[in-house]
Amino acid sequence: GAGVSQSPSNKVTEKGKDVELRCDPISGHTALYWYRQSLGQGLEFLIYFQGNSAPDKSGLPSDRFSAERTGGSVSTLTIQRTQQEDSAVYLCASRSGLAGEVVGNNEQFFGPGTRLTVL
Amino acid sequence: GEDVEQSLFLSVREGDSSVINCTYTDSSSTYLYWYKQEPGAGLQLLTYIFSNMDMKQDQRLTVLLNKKDKHLSLRIADTQTGDSAIYFCAIDTGRRALTFGSGTRLQVQP
Repeated sequence: GAGVSQSPSNKVTEKGKDVELRCDPISGHTALYWYRQSLGQGLEFLIYFQGNSAPDKSGLPSDRFSAERTGGSVSTLTIQRTQQEDSAVYLCASRSGLAGEVVGNNEQFFGPGTRLTVL
Repeated sequence: GEDVEQSLFLSVREGDSSVINCTYTDSSSTYLYWYKQEPGAGLQLLTYIFSNMDMKQDQRLTVLLNKKDKHLSLRIADTQTGDSAIYFCAIDTGRRALTFGSGTRLQVQP
């Protein structure tokens, strides 16, 4: 079946513009995560959606960042008034199972990412 | 808070074994993962170990877990040029998202 998909694959924008990044998780997966990978760095957690629960936004670096997940499926990460330090690869992942439930090895399946460049 | 550390770079010759190390601070880990990232590609789960295990072998891969020292390692036997990639360890504490190390770049020389 289809894996996690993200669009666009690349986005170049000017400083100060808003951008929207999209994630389509694996069908039926209840958990969805956004991470950010800056050049030469590990993955930094941004936000986590689990079913209909309130999202865990504790990783968002500033109030310019927001995300929503409509209908428990597709998610959009929005960055307002982009800055050069926002340049990174934004990765989305999804996982099966309810909060606290262990399904298999609890694997998170990652999309290919969106490379954002802010000029 | 959670902290996961890895060495940044490892270079080996083709056919040798590679050992990539990872240390972490959170003792409440449940699953511990190794992900592989090839250039321009997303993260691919390579293998994992559950916290009540101390070793897991999967073909050329051996994962060792020392819970007392909070040390995780990945050994790749008979390393091939196709193994060249960045390897991330990631810790799942069951609370929310995974905590990743900064990645170890493995370079395999022919």
